[in-house]
Amino acid sequence: AQSVAQPEDQVNVAEGNPLTVKCTYSVSGNPYLFWYVQYPNRGLQFLLKYITGDNLVKGSYGFEAEFNKSQTSFHLKKPSALVSDSALYFCAVRDGRGSSASKIIFGSGTRLSIRP
Amino acid sequence: NAGVMQNPRHLVRRRGQEARLRCSPMKGHSHVYWYRQLPEEGLKFMVYLQKENIIDESGMPKERFSAEFPKEGPSILRIQQVVRGDSAAYFCASSKLAGENTGELFFGEGSRLTVL
Repeated sequence: AQSVAQPEDQVNVAEGNPLTVKCTYSVSGNPYLFWYVQYPNRGLQFLLKYITGDNLVKGSYGFEAEFNKSQTSFHLKKPSALVSDSALYFCAVRDGRGSSASKIIFGSGTRLSIRP
Repeated sequence: NAGVMQNPRHLVRRRGQEARLRCSPMKGHSHVYWYRQLPEEGLKFMVYLQKENIIDESGMPKERFSAEFPKEGPSILRIQQVVRGDSAAYFCASSKLAGENTGELFFGEGSRLTVL
């Protein structure tokens, strides 16, 4: 069974500093990995994904994530945080085994707070 | 190009009543997912549907909950005899056809159910 873990409920960073939001996963086949962001009372918005290829993927709003197969991790990063980055961030995984569609499982979410 | 449309955005029901939540996927999307989010918690997978088929309902409670995605019309999540514990935000997401499907989901704004 697939699963995803976000070990930090909250991450606090000063504006202008780099940020990292952690994610680890478990799947039987090759992982399809995603990051989404949720603002208050809104639906989730797609940030970036890893399917195959380069381990460092770049996404929206200056975010990037690094796929590490040996550590089964997909941490979200940004070199310089903005106050407007404050939101709830979700990591998600899909089992890429086979060609049939499979469900996407989300982590519990990490609340990112950027202080001015 | 309209996004994923969910209605109603807010629904209030008394214990024992029925709740029906509707989701119209993005144009060209034939896969629909339903997730439940409790306050200050992550997204819990409920069900994954294609047109006229339930692909995976492993996250849906066995009783009182049902979902459909008919050939014509929106996907419906139905909760019979609601209880207070059903109070949550219910999010619908859609994605493209399998084969072109790398898993990126497009989310609606959610339907917030309050059970009195």
